[in-house]
Amino acid sequence: GDSVTQMEGPVTLSEEAFLTINCTYTATGYPSLFWYVQYPGEGLQLLLKATKADDKGSNKGFEATYRKETTSFHLEKGSVQVSDSAVYFCALRLSGDSGGSNYKLTFGKGTLLTVNP
Amino acid sequence: GAVVSQHPSWVICKSGTSVKIECRSLDFQATTMFWYRQFPKQSLMLMATSNEGSKATYEQGVEKDKFLINHASLTLSTLTVTSAHPEDSSFYICSASHTSSYNSPLHFGNGTRLTVT
Repeated sequence: GDSVTQMEGPVTLSEEAFLTINCTYTATGYPSLFWYVQYPGEGLQLLLKATKADDKGSNKGFEATYRKETTSFHLEKGSVQVSDSAVYFCALRLSGDSGGSNYKLTFGKGTLLTVNP
Repeated sequence: GAVVSQHPSWVICKSGTSVKIECRSLDFQATTMFWYRQFPKQSLMLMATSNEGSKATYEQGVEKDKFLINHASLTLSTLTVTSAHPEDSSFYICSASHTSSYNSPLHFGNGTRLTVT
């Protein structure tokens, strides 16, 4: 079945350090890929997305490139801030019939990032 | 941007009672809404997919008689946890899609923390 595997945390970094959170996927079709961020006690917020191979999603200094050849969508940021501390989820969503469970997101287990000042 | 409002943000109830959680799309029409459950330090588990005007589609292992879902309009879906027990304590999150495109991201509510005593 379809699945998302992301690096297990927690990840602890100092402010201004470089961040990489690995994400690989298994899918039977051609998925769209997403990164969501969850701040403590809140729901998920879309961070960035990519809908086809070689697309690069970017937002708030974060980037991820859809690599079909390696089935990966690693999240990177050149210089993290304390405010980036959160749980990051990689997810995929497959095309299919309109509506119904074909639209559901499949999430990775999440990676907790803590950035210390 | 698209906003999904979830209410209440937290609720404490006694064992055996029922609790209703509302999910509203404030500035768009949501043809499909999804209900997720999140256990501590774990990923989101899809419970059911709700399409306006039709019965919800439940994921395997989710009791439809215990978790009642109603999607009466294009802006409102409700999840009712019936005869709640302590093991139902969890973080429940809804999400909504405003287009029929599979690569359109889902917009999430801020979640509801349910504690059953």
